[in-house]
Amino acid sequence: KAGVTQTPRYLIKTRGQQVTLSCSPISGHRSVSWYQQTPGQGLQFLFEYFSETQRNKGNFPGRFSGRQFSNSRSEMNVSTLELGDSALYLCASSKISGGAVDTQYFGPGTRLTVL
Amino acid sequence: AQTVTQSQPEMSVQEAETVTLSCTYDTSESNYYLFWYKQPPSRQMILVIRQEAYKQQNATENRFSVNFQKAAKSFSLKISDSQLGDTAMYFCALLNRDDKIIFGKGTRLHILP
Repeated sequence: KAGVTQTPRYLIKTRGQQVTLSCSPISGHRSVSWYQQTPGQGLQFLFEYFSETQRNKGNFPGRFSGRQFSNSRSEMNVSTLELGDSALYLCASSKISGGAVDTQYFGPGTRLTVL
Repeated sequence: AQTVTQSQPEMSVQEAETVTLSCTYDTSESNYYLFWYKQPPSRQMILVIRQEAYKQQNATENRFSVNFQKAAKSFSLKISDSQLGDTAMYFCALLNRDDKIIFGKGTRLHILP
């Protein structure tokens, strides 16, 4: 079974631009979560989608948004990029068990560099 | 507030030795999951082991085992017969029913030849 895939793997943008990252979950997994990983802040939860609905959101500004499609694929968008948005963005997919997220499996990440 | 604390930022051990990584957590939930994830230099986050809080038996996966002490809110990872490929950053994580994973800051583990 194929794992979680993320595209692109690397991105370089300049301040003020916007960016869209894509995540394809493991087949059969309907929940997709996004995380930001930086050396200073570690791994921080951005949001989680299930059945095309955002169920949970972390403490990030409104510049960070996402969506999920009917095939469970998800996209994450960051508008008006800032230097501090440079990070590794990880996507994780999971099954839903008893209405809650089960074990999460991660993709390889997208390395975003903002200049 | 839910927290996960890994008190060892960095550790080094010789190949074939046994090493234990520490993790403590705090949650008001009674039903939750705990995980250890490994992130090697390639950056791919890999699930090492998982423990359901309602299970008293400690989880084991080949050379990896945990010591889960629910009352003490402790969840340590033991790696036996360590190998060079075990070199990675290890993250302890807590998943509550609210579906948000909380990660610790990580322990960077070096396996020395």
